[in-house]
Parts: sequence; structure tokens; C-alpha cells
Amino acid sequence: QVQLVQSGAEVKKPGASVKVSCKASGYSFTGYYIQWVRQAPGQRPEWMGWINPKSGGTIYAQKFQGRATMTRDTAISTVYLELRELNSDDTAVYYCARDLLSYWGQGTLVTVSS
Amino acid sequence: DIVMTQAPISLSVTPGQSASISCKSSQSLLHSDGKAYLYWYLQRPGQSPQLLIYQVSSRFSGVPDRFNGSGSGTDFTLKISRVEAEDVGVFYCMQGLHFPWTFGQGTKVEIK
Repeated sequence: QVQLVQSGAEVKKPGASVKVSCKASGYSFTGYYIQWVRQAPGQRPEWMGWINPKSGGTIYAQKFQGRATMTRDTAISTVYLELRELNSDDTAVYYCARDLLSYWGQGTLVTVSS
Repeated sequence: DIVMTQAPISLSVTPGQSASISCKSSQSLLHSDGKAYLYWYLQRPGQSPQLLIYQVSSRFSGVPDRFNGSGSGTDFTLKISRVEAEDVGVFYCMQGLHFPWTFGQGTKVEIK
């Protein structure tokens, strides 16, 4: 069965960076895009962008251009989201999800606090 | 960015009754391929969102036929027939045509 398993919760100070991983299993890793979506407490989800695991090509929401980087390691079927220059507004649950957001990871809580 | 507006914000439904949620987009979601890229998700308390409906009216694998999507252009509706206790949560519509993809503000469904 399709599974996306994410790394554990993180606590970061303002100005720091965070890197979240998402390991895929149960399907052909290079056959489907992986999206990243975040959800701040009590807010609607917010789409951040996607990565094509086959080519490594990416598209980012303009809001995250220059601050977010999505990468992948095909050898271990894992994609990564790195977000730099964190501030308190980045406190959220970060989700990876496959293609049309048809399968989701369990989410990774990133807390930014001094 | 495309603005997605849902109504109502909350619903209280008696088990076995029906419920409808409206979703309006600020621009047409009709692609030149003839498909409209409108999706519905349910986020149960403490869980990740799950896909219910894709391209307006197609149910995702395993989704009960109590869930039905309809609409076109900028106006869409999710109808839940015979509401059950497991339908508690927040329903979101999302447009996947224009970057960035955007979500509605959500409709919280509770059971009476």
C-alpha cells in the first residue's frame, strides 16, 4: 500500500533552517510528483510546491521562492523540504502528499520559537 | 492567487440526514483539456487531510458513494447523503489549476 512517512517534530529558533524528510513506499517512487503543503494552527492548508522525483524538477509557490528547497534521493525513495530563515509564522504542520494530494504523510510539526 | 470561498463555515447534521457544502472560485477552474481541477478533502480531527473527490465529481478509491461532487466553472458543491458519525471534521475544497494551488477556508461538520 502507498505510504509516505515523514520525519519527526522539530523546534527551531528564528533565523534557523529546517529540513523535513518524506519516505515513500508501496509504489514507483519516480512515477508520481510529491507536493508539500503546510497548515498553521487553526488555518487552512497552504500549498508550497512540488518536486518531480524522476527529474528533480521543482515548482514553488511564489511565497516560498528563494527560501524553500525541495530535493530527492531516488536511492532511498525520499524527498526533502528545506525551509530557511524561519520565523514564527512558519510554525505549522508540514505535509508531503503524492500527485493530486491523493496520499498524505502523517505530518511534521515545525515549531519556531525563541 | 485564486480565492476559494466555502459556505457554510460550519454545519451541524443529524445522522442519516444530508448536507451540502458550496465552494466558489474567483476564476474558472476549467482547463483547455475539458477538465475542471477542483478537489474535495476531509480532515478528521488530529489527522492528515484525505482526498474524497477529484476533478469535480470523481470519487477517489475507497470513498463511499454517499459523497458526491458537482459543479462547473466557478461554482461547485459537495453533497453528503446519509451523514454518519465518521464524517465529522473539516471539509476543504481546493483548486489545482492555477499556481499556487489554493484551498477554501474549510467547512466544519459536526454531528448532532
